[in-house]
Amino acid sequence: GENVEQHPSTLSVQEGDSAVIKCTYSDSASNYFPWYKQELGKGPQLIIDIRSNVGEKKDQRIAVTLNKTAKHFSLHITETQPEDSAVYFCAVPFLNTGTASKLTFGTGTRLQVTL
Amino acid sequence: DTGVSQDPRHKITKRGQNVTFRCDPISEHNRLYWYRQTLGQGPEFLTYFQNEAQLEKSRLLSDRFSAERPKGSFSTLEIQRTEQGDSAMYLCASSRDRVFGNTIYFGEGSWLTVV
Repeated sequence: GENVEQHPSTLSVQEGDSAVIKCTYSDSASNYFPWYKQELGKGPQLIIDIRSNVGEKKDQRIAVTLNKTAKHFSLHITETQPEDSAVYFCAVPFLNTGTASKLTFGTGTRLQVTL
Repeated sequence: DTGVSQDPRHKITKRGQNVTFRCDPISEHNRLYWYRQTLGQGPEFLTYFQNEAQLEKSRLLSDRFSAERPKGSFSTLEIQRTEQGDSAMYLCASSRDRVFGNTIYFGEGSWLTVV
């Protein structure tokens, strides 16, 4: 099946610093790469996604970069704020069964933004 | 767009009892998914519907689990003869079909504790 590795598993940054989380995947046919933020006791919330026809996408303080050749994509959060503290998951669609929408998730990164 | 709605949010049940969760997807989303998430892990795919048709089931979905989407709108996930290992958060998600992109939106989840 699809293998998705996510690093680091925990990340602590000071408020105002940047945070970067990286995911690598195995299925070269994957063409859609979302990132989800999950707060305690809540469901995953989509924060940004990218499709394989672009290399970077930005939305205010959040950006995602994609390197299809190397099969990895990264989440970048700039000017971090305490409310950014959460668990972040990358996900990749599992395409080799033909189900383009079934997502395989990474193991998650717990981001802690300290004052 | 009211988001994906799940009910109940929390359920505590005794081992051996049956439980049922309901999901109402975002209106006009014809795809509906069930995922399971245990503490410290990312969500894992269970099953997915395109309209009322259940198109794929994970090997995680044992015979004690059954999901339905009778009219292509809301869905139910029933777990029969619950076991302690079934304790998890059950997440419902929905999306439009691939023509419109496969962005998947999650609900807040239904927590199940089997005692």
